[in-house]
Amino acid sequence: EIVMTQSPATVSVSPGERATLSCRASQSVSDNLAWYQQKPGQAPRLLIYAASTRATGIPARFSGSGSGTEFTLTISSLQSEDFAVYYCQQFNDWAWTFGQGTKVEIK
Amino acid sequence: QVTLKESGPVLVKPTETLTLTCTVSGVSLSNARMGVSWIRQPPGKALEWLAHIFSTDEKSYSTSLRNRLTISKDTSKSQVVLTMTNMDPVDTATYYCARKQPTYWGAFDIWGQGTMVIVSS
Repeated sequence: EIVMTQSPATVSVSPGERATLSCRASQSVSDNLAWYQQKPGQAPRLLIYAASTRATGIPARFSGSGSGTEFTLTISSLQSEDFAVYYCQQFNDWAWTFGQGTKVEIK
Repeated sequence: QVTLKESGPVLVKPTETLTLTCTVSGVSLSNARMGVSWIRQPPGKALEWLAHIFSTDEKSYSTSLRNRLTISKDTSKSQVVLTMTNMDPVDTATYYCARKQPTYWGAFDIWGQGTMVIVSS
């Protein structure tokens, strides 16, 4: 099973600043990597798929990069509605795994 | 507009079998590339993928839980059903069903609202 490791567990950022979240896979997943945002009491929302493609309706301040085993989600200028937990997820060999999440909190 | 909605018991006893239903609207489960997964999330913890059923009726299961899980679908009712045997308090979680993108990529683009399941005697 491919293990996804996210860092940091929590990041404190001021509104308007940039946030950079990392995700590492225990083996290559090529570019089959997605990012989700989850707010309390809500289902996750797809932000990025194919490592760097924004899902429908996702603002341009969200960007993804990476391939193989190292991936990054960048939020260029944090808005109040962006404070949430973010998960990465891989799909390989007909199985999926999620990272443990990174919480983006207000500094 | 594609929507998914989970239903099932809120409370189950230890050792019982859990049956959850995901009702899909706006698309047929027989459509090519229409696949649905079950994913759970214990309170305050991370998401955990459980099982997936493809449009071809092929199934895939989490390695750690495969002995306890069965996923199936009823295309005529537009429902995907998950059963989990031998429930334990550690299985307390919100259970989501989600649609895999109808493309090569493995992301889940549409999620249900989730259903909370508590395992307690």
